[in-house]
Amino acid sequence: EPEVTQTPSHQVTQMGQEVILRCVPISNHLYFYWYRQILGQKVEFLVSFYNNEISEKSEIFDDQFSVERPDGSNFTLKIRSTKLEDSAMYFCASRERQGVRSPLHFGNGTRLTVT
Amino acid sequence: KQEVTQIPAALSVPEGENLVLNCSFTDSAIYNLQWFRQDPGKGLTSLLLIQSSQREQTSGRLNASLDKSSGRSTLYIAASQPGDSATYLCAGRAGGTSYGKLTFGQGTILTVHP
Repeated sequence: EPEVTQTPSHQVTQMGQEVILRCVPISNHLYFYWYRQILGQKVEFLVSFYNNEISEKSEIFDDQFSVERPDGSNFTLKIRSTKLEDSAMYFCASRERQGVRSPLHFGNGTRLTVT
Repeated sequence: KQEVTQIPAALSVPEGENLVLNCSFTDSAIYNLQWFRQDPGKGLTSLLLIQSSQREQTSGRLNASLDKSSGRSTLYIAASQPGDSATYLCAGRAGGTSYGKLTFGQGTILTVHP
């Protein structure tokens, strides 16, 4: 069964550094998302992306964050200058279409540790 | 703003028991509701999706129900097995102009002991 793949599985970075988290969504999917889960907290929405532009973003997704679909397969999340509080598991997700029957499919996540 | 709550926070049962996990949401204008399984340190595996027009959805030993009027969903697991041990998350999808953002509950940690 096709799946969403994320790399790396674990990223350690120093405060103030830039990180890029990478995702390959399922190939025929059109809607792409980033979520994050801080340890012990709920999974929370960051951003949705459709037709090469951001369609919705949360208040967490400030100017330090950006997303890009540089080619036909990859979907990236960039954090420009990481803070300690950015440490979390970051999940990429994709969905085939807009309909009510279309589930979200998640990757295994990238654990980001900011020291 | 949609809020999703799950009870209990943790549940421990002996193998073979049937069990029910509960999920409640505040905004009844929900588009659909999805149940996920999360193993420690892993991603989210979709178990079931219930459309807003549906009452129930079944997959193997799993049955999920949705009652929009009361703002509740339940996940029923029949004949539980140790391999069912995981965290179970429910998430409601907003309708309207939202592009499918999910709002998650905090999860129920299920332990099935042999």
